[in-house]
Amino acid sequence: SYVLTQPPSLSVAPGKTARITCGGNNIGSKSVQWYQQRPGQAPVLVVYDDSDRPSGIPERFSGSNYENMATLTISRAEAGDEADYYCQVWDTGSDHVVFGGGTKLTVL
Amino acid sequence: QLRLQESGPGLLKPSETLSLTCTVSGGSISSRTYYWGWVRQPPGKGLEWIASVYYNGNTYYTPSLRSRLTISLDTSKNQFSLKVASVTAADTAVYYCARIPVGEMIESYYFESWGQGTLVTVSS
Repeated sequence: SYVLTQPPSLSVAPGKTARITCGGNNIGSKSVQWYQQRPGQAPVLVVYDDSDRPSGIPERFSGSNYENMATLTISRAEAGDEADYYCQVWDTGSDHVVFGGGTKLTVL
Repeated sequence: QLRLQESGPGLLKPSETLSLTCTVSGGSISSRTYYWGWVRQPPGKGLEWIASVYYNGNTYYTPSLRSRLTISLDTSKNQFSLKVASVTAADTAVYYCARIPVGEMIESYYFESWGQGTLVTVSS
């Protein structure tokens, strides 16, 4: 089945840019979604269809997807951005949802 | 404003059947523009999609659990439900229900709204 690979952790200094990657075979041909999950809370959709943002999500959050890598970029990182981030696709080959393993973002 | 609220037993024993319900307010589960689904998260681990259902009853299940799962709609109560048969400790998790908008392509499949989650513990 389809596999999405994320780095387990990433650190970024406040005000700097964080880039969280999600690798998958020819992922550029798929639609990639990103979720933010703060401790003890439900996930929140921050990017869908590779690069679209739901209403209420700051412009600091952006997404891209090309060939074998999708990326969630968080500009001007803030302490409130500390969370786990998950990528997700629909695998048309097997008709089911696939999540990446998640990346823990630390802002320090 | 859409709200999804999960309810479940909290604690059950191995081999029992887990029954979960998601009550939807501020939106209709009979809408043709949404799927409804379940995602779970074992303690300290990542997200795992379990199942989804469409207004017409079409169902989708994660392959590894397919034989133990049943997802269904109750339009009279505006609820949808999930049953997991023969549970083990590996089914211990927070279970979330969520809404998925129907896209122009099936690949555009994302969980736009989530419930707060309900913790289910399987223990003898």
